Amino acid sequence: EDKVVQSPLSLVVHEGDTVTLNCSYEVTNFRSLLWYKQEKKAPTFLFMLTSSGIEKKSGRLSSILDKKELFSILNITATQTGDSAIYLCAVGYQTGANNLFFGTGTRLTVIP
Amino acid sequence: NAGVTQTPKFQVLKTGQSMTLQCAQDMNHEYMSWYRQDPGMGLRLIHYSVGAGITDQGEVPNGYNVSRSTTEDFPLRLLSAAPSQTSVYFCASSRQGKTSPLHFGNGTRLTVT
Repeated sequence: EDKVVQSPLSLVVHEGDTVTLNCSYEVTNFRSLLWYKQEKKAPTFLFMLTSSGIEKKSGRLSSILDKKELFSILNITATQTGDSAIYLCAVGYQTGANNLFFGTGTRLTVIP
Repeated sequence: NAGVTQTPKFQVLKTGQSMTLQCAQDMNHEYMSWYRQDPGMGLRLIHYSVGAGITDQGEVPNGYNVSRSTTEDFPLRLLSAAPSQTSVYFCASSRQGKTSPLHFGNGTRLTVT
């Protein structure tokens, strides 16, 4: 059975802290791994990873994939209150269609 | 550029009623899909389409129908609403190809009483 497991389920940090969010997966026919940020409405795209060991970076956020150990991490440095959100990990698994299998998410709260 | 537009934003139905959730995208994306999001569970795929005239079932299709008569529109029909269909529904689209991320609409919050 396919599964995507995120940890921790929730996390509370102070502004300026660095956080690491984890995503492990067991999915047949792996194509890609994606990270999304969800505030009050639509999930917004952060990163797509398809190759092991290549770090993707955008400002204070970065992510890397390990296809041998079947996991990915999302790092956020110098956290700000605007980083408070649910972070979703999803895996693309189907040839010919961009269907995604989602984890349940990590709820990050950043306290001033 | 509006992206993915969903209507309505909120809806309350009585058990047994039917309704259609609308989804439209203006990015000329071939792929469109519907997900539902429930507390404690990840987004789950209901139905998807890889182009006009082509639809297929996802993980949780029972109780829902879809059609894709144009590239832009992908409506989701609830045939006879049940309380178990109380959820937040998201429509998403992308270009085809494994390097294209999904773009999501703002969701429809549906309550079935």
